Amino acid sequence: QKEVEQNSGPLSVPEGAIASLNCTYSDRGSQSFFWYRQYSGKSPELIMFIYSNGDKEDGRFTAQLNKASQYVSLLIRDSQPSDSATYLCAVKKNRDDKIIFGKGTRLHILP
Amino acid sequence: EPEVTQTPSHQVTQMGQEVILRCVPISNHLYFYWYRQILGQKVEFLVSFYNNEISEKSEIFDDQFSVERPDGSNFTLKIRSTKLEDSAMYFCASGDRGPRGKLFFGSGTQLSVL
Repeated sequence: QKEVEQNSGPLSVPEGAIASLNCTYSDRGSQSFFWYRQYSGKSPELIMFIYSNGDKEDGRFTAQLNKASQYVSLLIRDSQPSDSATYLCAVKKNRDDKIIFGKGTRLHILP
Repeated sequence: EPEVTQTPSHQVTQMGQEVILRCVPISNHLYFYWYRQILGQKVEFLVSFYNNEISEKSEIFDDQFSVERPDGSNFTLKIRSTKLEDSAMYFCASGDRGPRGKLFFGSGTQLSVL
């Protein structure tokens, strides 16, 4: 079982709609969860982090965490063409320094 | 806004040659990392470094790889004898603290081994 799983996409969403990105993780000891955005040929850019069950909102972005289901999601409201990118889910266990990435979901916002 | 800087942005080398990739982490960060991403694949952890020593390394980080923090600002990754399969984008990252710390990535060095 992969440590962090994401649907590779592409996920196509009309401009202005809500994009919903999902991620599952295998290790119940995971404590910190991150969403990074990566444009083609560029480095990962941190856009959201969440540690506790529930929702966390920041502007157009909402991260959701359900530790019982080992599930993390990212909602992007009012999607813009500039949101077109690959979104990487990443997970960290408290006893580790490193974060582990999923393969990412390609998001395409249709103008 | 503070950022992680990496040099060079591109490095071309011949198989068997040594390369050194350089990074300047964010100044008040204490945790340093190297990751790599082969084209079309996921971002993979190589090594983490804290308190002037390696704290964790992956199976990829074999004896051909080494890291060093030669002074108070630079953090380097050395590949002693490059192989074709070392061709990838190498990212340096730094973090502000341990267990829940967020990682911030540099812009990467694209390494091409011919």
